Amino acid sequence: DADVTQTPRNRITKTGKRIMLECSQTKGHDRMYWYRQDPGLGLRLIYYSFDVKDINKGEISDGYSVSRQAQAKFSLSLESAIPNQTALYFCATSHRWDEQFFGPGTRLTVL
Amino acid sequence: QQQVKQSPQSLIVQKGGIPIINCAYENTAFDYFPWYQQFPGKGPALLIAIRPDVSEKKEGRFTISFNKSAKQFSLHIMDSQPGDSATYFCAAVRASGTYKYIFGTGTRLKVLA
Repeated sequence: DADVTQTPRNRITKTGKRIMLECSQTKGHDRMYWYRQDPGLGLRLIYYSFDVKDINKGEISDGYSVSRQAQAKFSLSLESAIPNQTALYFCATSHRWDEQFFGPGTRLTVL
Repeated sequence: QQQVKQSPQSLIVQKGGIPIINCAYENTAFDYFPWYQQFPGKGPALLIAIRPDVSEKKEGRFTISFNKSAKQFSLHIMDSQPGDSATYFCAAVRASGTYKYIFGTGTRLKVLA
């Protein structure tokens, strides 16, 4: 089984809808991250969490929120989806600072 | 704003060629420089990394060259193979404080058979 899983893998939604992307990990890592990947822009950090009680904004947090339900679970929500949030979203985990482990990604399309 | 500039955006080489991907950073506080490899439909995975106290690091066919004074680092892939076709991201990390990664914009590499 994969160490970092993301659900759903693909999602098509409409403008204005609220959606949630979920991430689970079995690696036992405390640190979890949400990134979005856009062609030509690379990976940009949305939110990160170093433990259940610690949530921090990344460089592009506007329009997003997160919830760290447990050490192993970190969810990303789009409160009111808009077309420019169409992207590939990745969850990642780390134990230390020197390696991040990425999930398989969620491809989100907002119509 | 902290940035990592990566070039080229895409690269096509023949099998056996040596593709080179370059990255430049601005903030001298960065002290860890990893490269991630991403295959289609997969998440990125750590390939190789370097600290600024050395100028070169090799792991198999992959080499990082680091120029601290120029604030530049590059990835070289020796004897490239079609299986190396992937997107490569450089990153810069400040190994203190929040340890946030600043990723480059990615290079899509295609190695022709």
